[in-house]
Amino acid sequence: GENVEQHPSTLSVQEGDSAVIKCTYSDSASNYFPWYKQELGKGPQLIIDIRSNVGEKKDQRIAVTLNKTAKHFSLHITETQPEDSAVYFCAAPWKRDDKIIFGKGTRLHILP
Amino acid sequence: GAGVSQTPSNKVTEKGKYVELRCDPISGHTALYWYRQSLGQGPEFLIYFQGTGAADDSGLPNDRFFAVRPEGSVSTLKIQRTERGDSAVYLCASSLLAGPNTGELFFGEGSRLTVL
Repeated sequence: GENVEQHPSTLSVQEGDSAVIKCTYSDSASNYFPWYKQELGKGPQLIIDIRSNVGEKKDQRIAVTLNKTAKHFSLHITETQPEDSAVYFCAAPWKRDDKIIFGKGTRLHILP
Repeated sequence: GAGVSQTPSNKVTEKGKYVELRCDPISGHTALYWYRQSLGQGPEFLIYFQGTGAADDSGLPNDRFFAVRPEGSVSTLKIQRTERGDSAVYLCASSLLAGPNTGELFFGEGSRLTVL
């Protein structure tokens, strides 16, 4: 089945600096790559996604880049703020039946 | 309601008991997913429905777990003879479309199951 590897598992950055989280996937037919943010006691919430026909997508301080050849995609958060502290998950569909498989998550700490 | 609703939010039960967890998806959403999330881990896929039928149930750990969605809306995850290892947060999500056009999953807040 689809294997989604995410790293690092924990990331601490100074407020105002940038954070980058990376994921790799195994199914070359995957065509949709979302990133979710999960705050304590809540369900994950989509923050940005990208489809395989583009290489990069931006939404204010967050961006996602995709390298289909290498089968990896990354989340970039610039000018980090305290409210960015959360757990972030990448995900990808297993093309055989389009079930969405999640990475193990990255706990992001924004340091004052 | 506006979002995905899951009940109960918390369930404590004893080993060997039967448990039902309910998910009320966003109205009109075709696809419904169940995931299990253990502490410090990502959501682990259990089962996904397109309409009333289970499109993929390959993530169900064993035959103690079963899920239904009889009318293509509300779904119930059923766990028989619960074990301590079943303790986790069970997340439900729905999406407007399924299959190749899958997009955003909208998650509920989860049902936290504790098996003593």
